[in-house]
Amino acid sequence: AQTVTQSQPEMSVQEAETVTLSCTYDTSESDYYLFWYKQPPSRQMILVIRQEAYKQQNATENRFSVNFQKAAKSFSLKISDSQLGDAAMYFCAYTSAGNMLTFGGGTRLMVKP
Amino acid sequence: GAVVSQHPSRVICKSGTSVKIECRSLDFQATTMFWYRQFPKQSLMLMATSNEGSKATYEQGVEKDKFLINHASLTLSTLTVTSAHPEDSSFYICSASDLTANYGYTFGSGTRLTVV
Repeated sequence: AQTVTQSQPEMSVQEAETVTLSCTYDTSESDYYLFWYKQPPSRQMILVIRQEAYKQQNATENRFSVNFQKAAKSFSLKISDSQLGDAAMYFCAYTSAGNMLTFGGGTRLMVKP
Repeated sequence: GAVVSQHPSRVICKSGTSVKIECRSLDFQATTMFWYRQFPKQSLMLMATSNEGSKATYEQGVEKDKFLINHASLTLSTLTVTSAHPEDSSFYICSASDLTANYGYTFGSGTRLTVV
């Protein structure tokens, strides 16, 4: 069974600085997708970034980028120029072939002004 | 982009009654609908997966007779919590899969259920 692990229950970053959230996963599949979702206090799940396993290039979306290390089964999220609005729960998630998403335990990110 | 409308956003019901939660995909056909439950400060736990026109597949430990899922059309899926008890109080979220969008997943806004 696939598992997703987020080892940092909480992280804190100063506004305008950079923070990296960690995620590791376990799978025997070769083709899969990885995601980072943001859940603000409203609890609406918001897609931050997505990575296809067959792509070697790391995904980037504006201030958000990932470091995808397929051999190490690692998928970290880097947030640059952190903003107060980035404060939220962040979930790493995995899926293969359109099946269910498997979520990590989440990391609560706090942004200090 | 794709939108999933989930209603109600909040519901309070008496113990022993049933509650229905609806999720509608507004601008795409939801091939598969996933239902999650989220306890405070915890992650999302998959309850069941439903495909249009088929019976739902429940995760281990989820009572299928308590949590009835119907996915009668490609745009509507419902979760009915039957004979609700206080321990069923939780946050329920649906997620629709649109395979035509290259395995995109769209989430509803969630339903906070409180059983008193």
